[in-house]
Amino acid sequence: ILNVEQSPQSLHVQEGDSTNFTCSFPSSNFYALHWYRWETAKSPEALFVMTLNGDEKKKGRISATLNTKEGYSYLYIKGSQPEDSATYLCAPEDAGNMLTFGGGTRLMVKP
Amino acid sequence: DAGVIQSPRHEVTEMGQEVTLRCKPISGHDYLFWYRQTMMRGLELLIYFNNNVPIDDSGMPEDRFSAKMPNASFSTLKIQPSEPRDSAVYFCASGEREDKNIQYFGAGTRLSVL
Repeated sequence: ILNVEQSPQSLHVQEGDSTNFTCSFPSSNFYALHWYRWETAKSPEALFVMTLNGDEKKKGRISATLNTKEGYSYLYIKGSQPEDSATYLCAPEDAGNMLTFGGGTRLMVKP
Repeated sequence: DAGVIQSPRHEVTEMGQEVTLRCKPISGHDYLFWYRQTMMRGLELLIYFNNNVPIDDSGMPEDRFSAKMPNASFSTLKIQPSEPRDSAVYFCASGEREDKNIQYFGAGTRLSVL
């Protein structure tokens, strides 16, 4: 089980704002980094999986970067929309293929 | 595939009663996970199976909790006897190594122990 920290815990932005949040994890015993999106009253859905230092993934207005040497990942949302409101979870995967979920960043986008 | 199917969606029971939660993973997936979500602790891994074999149950809170996977298409999480502090949402997820170990979650079971 890894110690995973996400910041901020919650974030309120206006529609159209761009935003980003951070996931920090131990760089030792690292195998991959997963990002999940969790809408209220639904279940978590996978966004990205990254494995290599310097990896960058993009899906529409959402992108993520990975720094395995220093143990962090950033998630960026460009031009936030109300439908982006959700909790974003990161989960590093260790060499045993176990995921440890962070506490999440709860994003609320106001119209 | 219909995705990961959990039942029941909601369970209300009285303290001391036995509770059984059920999960049907996505066909072909070789990993199955049970998680518990609470406000205080977020999403915690309770136990996971690989090819129906329990691999790590270090997250199981205590002996009142047990999980089984008798075959590749079915798993149960049992709490006996249940206590009010067990009230939470329990998620089941499945995945496969060839899919980068991405986990696909069921809709969850909301358990309330009175």
